[in-house]
Amino acid sequence: QVQLVQSGAAVKKPGASVKLSCKASGYTFYNYFMHWVRQAPGQGPEWMGMIDPSGGATSYSQRFQGRVAMTRDTSTSTVYMELSSLASEDTAVYFCARGNLRARLRFDDWGQGALVTVSS
Amino acid sequence: EIVLTQSPGTLSLSPGERATLSCRASQSLSSSYLAWYQQKVGQPPRLLIYGASTRATGIPDRFSGSVSETDFTLTISRLETEDFAVYYCQQYGSSPPTFGQGTKVEIK
Repeated sequence: QVQLVQSGAAVKKPGASVKLSCKASGYTFYNYFMHWVRQAPGQGPEWMGMIDPSGGATSYSQRFQGRVAMTRDTSTSTVYMELSSLASEDTAVYFCARGNLRARLRFDDWGQGALVTVSS
Repeated sequence: EIVLTQSPGTLSLSPGERATLSCRASQSLSSSYLAWYQQKVGQPPRLLIYGASTRATGIPDRFSGSVSETDFTLTISRLETEDFAVYYCQQYGSSPPTFGQGTKVEIK
């Protein structure tokens, strides 16, 4: 079965960067886009961007452009998301989510989430 | 980007009652590319419905979705205790994909 296992919670200071990982298993890694979606406390989910694991091409939300970078390691079926210049408003749970094969912007499977707390 | 507006914000119902949740899109969605997710506290969202009306694998048939132009509806025919949660709609027809702000279904 599809499994997306994320790295653990992180506490960062304002201005710092955070790099999260998401290890995929149970399917052919190359074939499915992977997305990052975050959810601030009490808010709805927000899409951050996506990566095509086959070639590494990325597409980011304009809201995070210039501050986010998504990469992948095909040898370990792992995707990474690095967010820089953190501020308190970046405190949220960050999820990786696998896109549907045909409807790439639909999220069929999710990781368990990783809480990132930004505090001085 | 497409804005999704969900109503009501909170729905207070008893087990066995019918729940009707709404999601309105700011513009038409290509091919009814709208999904519904259920989220419980401390868990990721779970896909319930896609294509406005198709249940995802393993979703019980008390969940149904419908559409009328830019108005989408999720109906839970008879609420079970495990259905009390927050529900989000999401459009995936154009980038960026966007979510509604959610409807909380709580026990009355």
